[in-house]
Amino acid sequence: AQSVTQPDIHITVSEGASLELRCNYSYGATPYLFWYVQSPGQGLQLLLKYFSGDTLVQGIKGFEAEFKRSQSSFNLRKPSVHWSDAAEYFCAVAVYSSASKIIFGSGTRLSIRP
Amino acid sequence: GAVVSQHPSRVICKSGTSVKIECRSLDFQATTMFWYRQFPKKSLMLMATSNEGSKATYEQGVEKDKFLINHASLTLSTLTVTSAHPEDSSFYICSGTTGGADGYTFGSGTRLTVV
Repeated sequence: AQSVTQPDIHITVSEGASLELRCNYSYGATPYLFWYVQSPGQGLQLLLKYFSGDTLVQGIKGFEAEFKRSQSSFNLRKPSVHWSDAAEYFCAVAVYSSASKIIFGSGTRLSIRP
Repeated sequence: GAVVSQHPSRVICKSGTSVKIECRSLDFQATTMFWYRQFPKKSLMLMATSNEGSKATYEQGVEKDKFLINHASLTLSTLTVTSAHPEDSSFYICSGTTGGADGYTFGSGTRLTVV
């Protein structure tokens, strides 16, 4: 069965420091991968997505992610975090079938240390 | 860009009553709408998938008679929580797509509290 794993439940980084959030997926074919961000009590905002092509994907707010097929990973990175980046981050994979539903990872909560 | 408008953003209802949540795709036709439930500090759990004009497909363990989903048009899908109980209190989010994996637009969510 398809699954998405985010091994880090909570990460705290200092403002201005670099960030990497981990994501591993289990899916037989080439997956459609997403990173979403959610602020408390809010809906989800798409940061970036990967379908094919260049394995390094640029997103909004200075985020990027790299698809590594050999490691079944799609880690999210940002070179310098801002206090406003504090939120919950979800990695997700689209099960491309007639339903095309998205399966979410368990999420990583990011806290920023002043 | 594509927008899904979800209402209400917050609702408090008494136990035993029903609550309807609406999701409208404002500038695209959502052939498929997904409904998710999110418990505090948890991930999103897919409840059901609805295609315009047909019955919703519910995930295992989701009571279809309690969570009624209607997708009568390409721009409107509704979730009705019937005979709500406190354990139904949660954050509900919808997501619309035109089909295929390249476009999922999420609503802003509805915080349901059953007292």
